[in-house]
Amino acid sequence: NAGVTQTPKFRILKIGQSMTLQCTQDMNHNYMYWYRQDPGMGLKLIYYSVGAGITDKGEVPNGYNVSRSTTEDFPLRLELAAPSQTSVYFCASSHTVEGRDQPQHFGDGTRLSIL
Amino acid sequence: KNQVEQSPQSLIILEGKNCTLQCNYTVSPFSNLRWYKQDTGRGPVSLTIMTFSENTKSNGRYTATLDADTKQSSLHITASQLSDSASYICVVSAGDNNDMRFGAGTRLTVKP
Repeated sequence: NAGVTQTPKFRILKIGQSMTLQCTQDMNHNYMYWYRQDPGMGLKLIYYSVGAGITDKGEVPNGYNVSRSTTEDFPLRLELAAPSQTSVYFCASSHTVEGRDQPQHFGDGTRLSIL
Repeated sequence: KNQVEQSPQSLIILEGKNCTLQCNYTVSPFSNLRWYKQDTGRGPVSLTIMTFSENTKSNGRYTATLDADTKQSSLHITASQLSDSASYICVVSAGDNNDMRFGAGTRLTVKP
């Protein structure tokens, strides 16, 4: 019963390095999301996808890129890591039948530090 | 300015006691309000989802209320257990699932 799986769980990057945060879900959900959670703040939406081949920017997309080639996978790419991107990143998915009232299922996060 | 404000920021209670967490929002238009529980080091887990027409919803010892007129919600926890120690996050949707506003959460600690 995997749900939403994120890898890696922890990572330390140097400024300017790049990396990809992986996210996969096995619930056949059409919606997927990437959030970041900073201390004392609510989660902020980075990017989301309503289905394979479709992605859209959220509230804080700068410095990130995403792709959605399959229903299951939604990787998040950091091209030039900056200290401001130090955060905990959460991937989530949801099923939309009527469109709005479905709960989101979250992964356990990737804790990323940029030094 | 965050459109979802939660109070208190943190709370400590004794095991077996009840508590109530508050959520005030200014998000408009309103679609639904959700409460999530987030254990330390884990992702949030959905507790309840309420739409405009619902003013109370329960999930075991958790009961959420919604007053859409005053734009306030509360989460009441009955007979607290040590496992209730977590952050509780209020989320208000302004429309579709991609337009959700998250509160900063209330950190609850239940002590024996």
